[in-house]
This record gives sequence, structure tokens and C-alpha cells, in this order.
Amino acid sequence: DGGITQSPKYLFRKEGQNVTLSCEQNLNHDAMYWYRQDPGQGLRLIYYSQIVNDFQKGDIAEGYSVSREKKESFPLTVTSAQKNPTAFYLCASSIGQFQPQHFGDGTRLSIL
Amino acid sequence: SQQGEEDPQALSIQEGENATMNCSYKTSINNLQWYRQNSGRGLVHLILIRSNEREKHSGRLRVTLDTSKKSSSLLITASRAADTASYFCATDARQAGTALIFGKGTTLSVSS
Repeated sequence: DGGITQSPKYLFRKEGQNVTLSCEQNLNHDAMYWYRQDPGQGLRLIYYSQIVNDFQKGDIAEGYSVSREKKESFPLTVTSAQKNPTAFYLCASSIGQFQPQHFGDGTRLSIL
Repeated sequence: SQQGEEDPQALSIQEGENATMNCSYKTSINNLQWYRQNSGRGLVHLILIRSNEREKHSGRLRVTLDTSKKSSSLLITASRAADTASYFCATDARQAGTALIFGKGTTLSVSS
């Protein structure tokens, strides 16, 4: 079955540590996205990529970094510069810009 | 940058009743989409309505779009306990030229 896989489901970060969230899709979608969801805040766009080896900052990119070396993969690194990383992180993909997005089941990141 | 705003923030109904959620947005759009999110899970795409469409149906879902008022509504008929979830609208914000912009969502609770 085609879909998006996010791992791990739960992640804990120590102070000063970088952590990487994995996102893999086998839908052959060109576009991929990372969102952050806080209670009552809806989804906020962190980074998105329309094509391999290219990505753009979203509304809240500070303290985060991404890479898009393969069509199937779009990992997100939460760096130590992100002072409030506790949130639910969602990865999504779509055939193209503004097309319906398919979501993974998220990674919940907490601070130790 | 919040484009769509859902109303109400929360809605509680009994099984068998209809549920109506509204979404207002600010700038011109090409399409508007509705998504559903079960607690702790990723979003699932429900329906897409284009700017030249006024109404669209999918099973028990009915979506309307009024571009003159910059608003859309999602009607769920004969609600079931399994419809309990958060519902989000997303717009393509034509002028932004980036990615879909999600609202903060309406939390629907259907009790049996």
C-alpha cells in the first residue's frame, strides 16, 4: 500500500541536542512538506520541497533544517537553536503544489 | 500567515444530527480543501472544491463555496460517533504562491 511513513512516533530531545525526524513516501509524489502542530494553533508550515534537491522555508523555519536528496525522503532536523521544540510534527506529500496532501501519522517531540 | 479560519472552534452534537462547520478566508483562491484529523493522527483529505464550483458532495459530506463572501461550509449529515475529529479547511492562497494554508480547525464531538 502506498503512503507516508514517519518515524519515530515519539522522540525525546536533550538540551543542546539536534534530532532528526524521518519522513518517507512511496506515492511517487514530487512535493513534500513539514508542519508543526501545537494545541489550538492548527498547522504551521516549516519547510516544503517541490522537487528533489530544492526546498523553501515556510512560516516558521528558524531552528529547523531539511534535505531532499531523494524523491522519497524529506528528513527534518530540529536543531538546538529551536528553543521550544515540543510539538506534534506532521509530514505530508502531494502530486503537485496546491494538490490534496497525504499525511503521515506524525512524530511527537518532547524535551527531556 | 493564517488564511482560513474555521467557525465554530468546537461543536458538540448527538448522533444522527447534522454538523455544520464554516471556513472564512482572506485572499483569492484557486481551490479550497477540507481535511479531517482523528486525535493523535495525521490529516486525511476529504474533499476539494474549485473556485468555479458552488457545491460538492461526497457521501454524507456536502461542501459549499461562496467566493463573493470568501467563505465555505462543510456539512456532515446524520453524524456518527466515528465522525468525532477535528476538521480543517485549507486554501491555496493564490497570491502567496507557496503551499496550502491551514486554518486552526473545528473540533467536532458526536455523542451516542
